Amino acid sequence: RKEVEQDPGPFNVPEGATVAFNCTYSNSASQSFFWYRQDCRKEPKLLMSVYSSGNEDGRFTAQLNRASQYISLLIRDSKLSDSATYLCVVKERTGGFKTIFGAGTRLFVKA
Amino acid sequence: GAGVSQSPSNKVTEKGKDVELRCDPISGHTALYWYRQSLGQGLEFLIYFQGNSAPDKSGLPSDRFSAERTGGSVSTLTIQRTQQEDSAVYLCASSLSGTGSYNEQFFGPGTRLTVL
Repeated sequence: RKEVEQDPGPFNVPEGATVAFNCTYSNSASQSFFWYRQDCRKEPKLLMSVYSSGNEDGRFTAQLNRASQYISLLIRDSKLSDSATYLCVVKERTGGFKTIFGAGTRLFVKA
Repeated sequence: GAGVSQSPSNKVTEKGKDVELRCDPISGHTALYWYRQSLGQGLEFLIYFQGNSAPDKSGLPSDRFSAERTGGSVSTLTIQRTQQEDSAVYLCASSLSGTGSYNEQFFGPGTRLTVL
């Protein structure tokens, strides 16, 4: 089993749609969680951190379920500019912090 | 301020040659990471430096790969006797500290390595 698993997609949605991505992680001792965004042929950039209480940033909502070892990202009112690959990231405490990236979920938003 | 920079941006080499990839992290960032990303794949962790501590080399795929970080700043990733399967984008990232749970990693633009 992979340490961090994501549905690779692609997800093809029309503008204005709501889309949800899921991610599962294998290490129950994982400490912190993130969603990064990666545009085609570009470097990843932090989209948002994911806290136990859940958090929202504009059209984006992230949730964490520690019991099920599951993280989600919800995008409301999708824009063309949301088209990208969304990477689920987990940090585990192993001496320092080991960072594990999921393979990513590709999103295409179409007019 | 300046972000993470990497050089060269592109490197084409012949199988069997050695290559050096350079990363300049953000000033003041104590943590530095190297990752590899093959076409259409996720990021593969290679190595992690935190301050003056011994680096976490657990992700290096073989003993042909090594990395140094001099003076707690610039890092060089060296691949000896390159193989075609080494072809990938090599990404460097830095963060304020690797020991903070929620410290953001800032990525450089990457070095695209092609081994012929």
